[in-house]
Amino acid sequence: GQGVEQPDNLMSVEGTFARVNCTYSTSGFNGLSWYQQREGHAPVFLSYVVLDGLKDSGHFSTFLSRSNGYSYLLLTELQIKDSASYLCAVREPNYNVLYFGSGTKLTVEP
Amino acid sequence: GGIITQTPKFLIGQEGQKLTLKCQQNFNHDTMYWYRQDSGKGLRLIYYSITENDLQKGDLSEGYDASREKKSSFSLTVTSAQKNEMAVFLCASRGTGDSDYTFGSGTRLLVI
Repeated sequence: GQGVEQPDNLMSVEGTFARVNCTYSTSGFNGLSWYQQREGHAPVFLSYVVLDGLKDSGHFSTFLSRSNGYSYLLLTELQIKDSASYLCAVREPNYNVLYFGSGTKLTVEP
Repeated sequence: GGIITQTPKFLIGQEGQKLTLKCQQNFNHDTMYWYRQDSGKGLRLIYYSITENDLQKGDLSEGYDASREKKSSFSLTVTSAQKNEMAVFLCASRGTGDSDYTFGSGTRLLVI
C-alpha cells in the first residue's frame, strides 16, 4: 500500500516563501503530484515530478528525493491568494492511481 | 477544452437510503475515478474504471457500488447511507500516458 504524510497547517507572510513537505512510503512509485485546493472547490493540478531534484515552474517549484521518500512544494513571493490547502499524491504504477496525503492548509498573512 | 460535471452538487439523504451520484466527462478520457474527502482528511479512493464496463475497487469500496456503462460517464451508488455521514465525493478522469487528473467540482453529501 501507500502511506503519504503532510503537516496539517503552515503559516507564512506575504512576500516571503513557504515550503510544504510531504513524506511517503510506497509499495510502488510512478511519480508524485501536487494539487492546490481552495475551500469548497475541486483540487487543481500544479505539478508532477518523477525524477530526483528540483523542478522550477516559476511561482511553484517542486523537489523530489526518491531514496528518502520525500518531496516538497516551494511557493515564492507569496500572495494572500496563495492561502489554500496543498495536497501531495503518490502515483501507483498500476493505472496511475493516486494516493493522497491529508493536505497542508497554508495561511498567508499580511 | 473539456469539462467534467458532477450531479447533484448537493445531496441530502436519509439513513438507510440508496443514493446515486453521477459524473460525466467530455475529454474522451479512458480512466475515471471516485474519491471521498472527509473534513481534515485526504482523498480516499472508492472505485476506478480503466475503460467502459470495467470496475476496480479502491481501499474504500465497501458500502458502495459503481457503474461505467459508457466511456463518458461513471456513477457511484451509496448502498445504504449512514446517519450523520457528511463528506464530499470527487470524480476525476485521466487520459493516456503521464497526463494528470482533472477533477469535477464534487457532490456534497449529508445524511440526516
